[in-house]
Amino acid sequence: GQQVMQIPQYQHVQEGEDFTTYCNSSTTLSNIQWYKQRPGGHPVFLIQLVKSGEVKKQKRLTFQFGEAKKNSSLHITATQTTDVGTYFCADGYSNYQLIWGAGTKLIIKP
Amino acid sequence: DGGITQSPKYLFRKEGQNVTLSCEQNLNHDAMYWYRQDPGQGLRLIYYSQIVNDFQKGDIAEGYSVSREKKESFPLTVTSAQKNPTAFYLCASSSQGNTEAFFGQGTRLTVV
Repeated sequence: GQQVMQIPQYQHVQEGEDFTTYCNSSTTLSNIQWYKQRPGGHPVFLIQLVKSGEVKKQKRLTFQFGEAKKNSSLHITATQTTDVGTYFCADGYSNYQLIWGAGTKLIIKP
Repeated sequence: DGGITQSPKYLFRKEGQNVTLSCEQNLNHDAMYWYRQDPGQGLRLIYYSQIVNDFQKGDIAEGYSVSREKKESFPLTVTSAQKNPTAFYLCASSSQGNTEAFFGQGTRLTVV
């Protein structure tokens, strides 16, 4: 079945540094959704990408969907403490459920 | 306010007891889901339902049961057959299976 591989598992950054997480698939992704889960919280929807090559921005967050629709990335510029959490991608490959990546945990170094 | 509500937030049970986690939504969503999340891990699908009176097993359904008698409600029972039930349980809903998912606050279940 469809699998979504997300890397890295963890990323430690100094506040102010950039952060990137990647989602990859060996098959074509249908639509990619990105979620953020704060520590102790629940996942919250950030954005959905549908079109090949699509790029969307939300303030310091940039979301990209690959030209071949086999990968997607989330890039955060100049991280802040409020960015801490785990970022998940999910593919709407199936009509019945989302296929989730394992998540990337963003950790700000003290 | 529209949303999805899980209760309770924290739940403690003795080993061998069944326990039911509540999930209610007023978003008029057809699809509802239960996920399990272990510390530092991703989301694993337990059960999902696309319509009232119908539900399907997810990847880790063993030791769990659900019902969907009303559109708004999708309770999850963790049975004594679940070998390692201590986890964070998340309920979600969406208008369709592959559209934006709305999550409840989650229930942290501890079995001692």
